Amino acid sequence: DAGVIQSPRHEVTEMGQEVTLRCKPISGHNSLFWYRQTMMRGLELLIYFNNNVPIDDSGMPEDRFSAKMPNASFSTLKIQPSEPRDSAVYFCASSRGQGSNTEAFFGQGTRLTVV
Amino acid sequence: TQLLEQSPQFLSIQEGENLTVYCNSSSVFSSLQWYRQEPGEGPVLLVTVVTGGEVKKLKRLTFQFGDARKDSSLHITAAQPGDTGLYLCAVSNAGNNRKLIWGLGTSLAVNP
Repeated sequence: DAGVIQSPRHEVTEMGQEVTLRCKPISGHNSLFWYRQTMMRGLELLIYFNNNVPIDDSGMPEDRFSAKMPNASFSTLKIQPSEPRDSAVYFCASSRGQGSNTEAFFGQGTRLTVV
Repeated sequence: TQLLEQSPQFLSIQEGENLTVYCNSSSVFSSLQWYRQEPGEGPVLLVTVVTGGEVKKLKRLTFQFGDARKDSSLHITAAQPGDTGLYLCAVSNAGNNRKLIWGLGTSLAVNP
């Protein structure tokens, strides 16, 4: 299996532009997570889906952030408009089964820089 | 204030040395996971501990969950350059569905 696939790996954009991050989870996994990682705050869960349905989006910073999962094999995280403070590495992870002990498999991340 | 405190924040040692890193909290958790993250990659799960006092071994790595399920330690014997990376602990509460809370990590560098 190719693992969790994220694109792009790197994104540099100007403040105010729309940014779309993409994720393909591992086939057969029914949970998908979007995380943001910074030096100051570490890994923060933004939102997670179970069976394509958003379960907990309390970590989404504000209305500028939105996430969708139209089917079991694809998810997007969109930031509109982007701001310099959104600069971070964004990870997508997927897992199979229920329970918080289930192993989460992470993608390689998208490094976002907003200038 | 971080719910999970990991220490030390940075550690640089020579190949062959032993080391211990810690993950502490004032709260009780149902389970705790340790991950390792290499530069440019996502975290990879090393172990999950669920029982107070539990000890798990993974080759040269020994993980212990505190008796009160508030803290954990990771001990590495005879560290190798391949052990270099960011070691993250993450916890969950049984009543909080799938949400993990993460520490900031210990950045380990093992020099040849």
